[in-house]
Amino acid sequence: ETGVTQSPTHLIKTRGQQVTLRCSSQSGHNTVSWYQQALGQGPQFIFQYYREEENGRGNFPPRFSGLQFPNYSSELNVNALELDDSALYLCASSRLDTDNEQFFGPGTRLTVL
Amino acid sequence: DAKTTQPTSMDCAEGRAANLPCNHSTISGNEYVYWYRQIHSQGPQYIIHGLKNNETNEMASLIITEDRKSSTLILPHATLRDTAVYYCIVRVGGGSNYKLTFGKGTLLTVNP
Repeated sequence: ETGVTQSPTHLIKTRGQQVTLRCSSQSGHNTVSWYQQALGQGPQFIFQYYREEENGRGNFPPRFSGLQFPNYSSELNVNALELDDSALYLCASSRLDTDNEQFFGPGTRLTVL
Repeated sequence: DAKTTQPTSMDCAEGRAANLPCNHSTISGNEYVYWYRQIHSQGPQYIIHGLKNNETNEMASLIITEDRKSSTLILPHATLRDTAVYYCIVRVGGGSNYKLTFGKGTLLTVNP
């Protein structure tokens, strides 16, 4: 069974740029959730994707957007990067139709300069 | 989702049981208690969850009070590798809007 993978591991961008982060779900999972974790804080829910559509969103502006593909992999896109976007970005996969736990990937560390 | 309250930090001696408390006094009848942990710079790891009954798996035990307003995660024989931030989360089980609302958690330090 393949776990959740994320790429890249680390990324450095400058203010105003755009970034795309990628996530591959665990085998058999149909739902992907994205979280942002600032230093010293718990992860904060960004949004969830199920059947290629957004299925819930946290308190994040529209410049945070996502995609889910037919193979259930997912992308997180952030436009017009701000310094406060520097964080660990985590994706988690799960099965929406069962009461199953979310499995997290190792995260992508984004630094905005 | 209901709010949880956890101590900021706890210490435990290696080989002893670690008991991590969590208060969730506003929990609703259909909300589960979940525990995750996060070892430094890694993604959170699922530990255990429960609704009403006590639960046990290969990692830990979860004790939920009868009124469901608090719970305790028990690591029976803590090792140095159990040093991590432990998050207690309550949420509606299954279905849509399967988000996890993390607080700041408890930093458990297991000492040799």
